[in-house]
Amino acid sequence: EAQVTQNPRYLITVTGKKLTVTCSQNMNHEYMSWYRQDPGLGLRQIYYSMNVEVTDKGDVPEGYKVSRKEKRNFPLILESPSPNQTSLYFCASSFSWDPTNYGYTFGSGTRLTVV
Amino acid sequence: GESVGLHLPTLSVQEGDNSIINCAYSNSASDYFIWYKQESGKGPQFIIDIRSNMDKRQGQRVTVLLNKTVKHLSLQIAATQPGDSAVYFCAEKASGTYKYIFGTGTRLKVLA
Repeated sequence: EAQVTQNPRYLITVTGKKLTVTCSQNMNHEYMSWYRQDPGLGLRQIYYSMNVEVTDKGDVPEGYKVSRKEKRNFPLILESPSPNQTSLYFCASSFSWDPTNYGYTFGSGTRLTVV
Repeated sequence: GESVGLHLPTLSVQEGDNSIINCAYSNSASDYFIWYKQESGKGPQFIIDIRSNMDKRQGQRVTVLLNKTVKHLSLQIAATQPGDSAVYFCAEKASGTYKYIFGTGTRLKVLA
């Protein structure tokens, strides 16, 4: 089944403890992206990747890192999480940055709570 | 499931009726628009898209209308079913860019 898989689905952590949220897609998509979703706000892009070893900042990159060493994986790294990073995170992928007729394929989300 | 918004505008529709969900977009230079459906506990799912050179596009039971004059987008769902209950939001892309701006969404409740 074609899908984007995120892990974990739920995570509670403490301030300052490094964590990684994994994202993997099995559709050979070139484009991958991370978003956060907060109440009252639309999805906001954190980082995106046009292809392997090509990444760039989105609208809210502060406090996050990403890497794209393989086409299928795009992990999101929080080196020193803070409570304002408590959010619902989504990974998305597409054949290209221009997802005409298909949109992005989203993962099921990771609910992160930083205490 | 995860809550995507505690205070979203809500549209309640009787099962079998038609639903109309509206979206006001921000950028007159936007040239591509997508409607997504997000069910509780799931990621957004592509429904239908439309380019700015079109006024209307139809899919299966869904129609998107674009009014560029007033920067307004609407999603019409025919014969609304219980499985249509979800949060719906639009996304716009500015011409010449690859960045999308997502709306906050509308919750659709289908009444039996």
